[in-house]
Amino acid sequence: QVQLQESGPGLVKPSETLSLTCGVSGYSISSGYYWGWIRQPPGKGLEWVGSIFHTGTTYYNSSLKSQVTISVDTSKNQISLRLKSVTAADAAVYFCVRHRYYYFMDVWGKGTTVAVS
Amino acid sequence: EIVLTQSPGTLSLFPGERATLSCRASQTVTNSYLAWYQQKPGQAPRLLIHGASSRATGIPDRFSGSGSGTDFTLTISRLEPEDFAIYYCQHYGTSSYSFGQGTKLE
Repeated sequence: QVQLQESGPGLVKPSETLSLTCGVSGYSISSGYYWGWIRQPPGKGLEWVGSIFHTGTTYYNSSLKSQVTISVDTSKNQISLRLKSVTAADAAVYFCVRHRYYYFMDVWGKGTTVAVS
Repeated sequence: EIVLTQSPGTLSLFPGERATLSCRASQTVTNSYLAWYQQKPGQAPRLLIHGASSRATGIPDRFSGSGSGTDFTLTISRLEPEDFAIYYCQHYGTSSYSFGQGTKLE
């Protein structure tokens, strides 16, 4: 059974960089699928942040593209998210997800809460 | 980018009743690339429906999806207590994903 586990600091200061990691178990990242991030501000809806393939190919939400970097480490079977110059608007629960290229998300992590203050 | 508008914002029903949730797209959704997710408080969303009408693995058959073009519907035939949650529709199939704002079923 595929499981995704997000981890990272729960609090980031404004203007600094948010860094999160998603560890994948039960499936090898190199076997296929895209792996991505979706965020949900408190009390609000879902926003796709970006996604990556095991080769390193990425695609990002155009509204966040200048701020976001997603990377993959196949040796550790994990992906990472870096979001620079954060503001209060970046406070959210960040979910790690699995999906096929341009397809729906079929596996979700439990999410990790990030506050900006 | 396709904008998805869900209605109603909140739907108040009793267990055993039928629920009908709507998702309208700002332009035609090609190949019926429309998914529905259920989210309960403090949990991650769970995939219910993809391709507008295909149930995901393990989803009870009281959940059904329908529609095409710009108008899509999620129907729950007989509400169980565990079905009270927030439901989101999602468009996929392009380089940018979009979600509806959600319908709270209470």
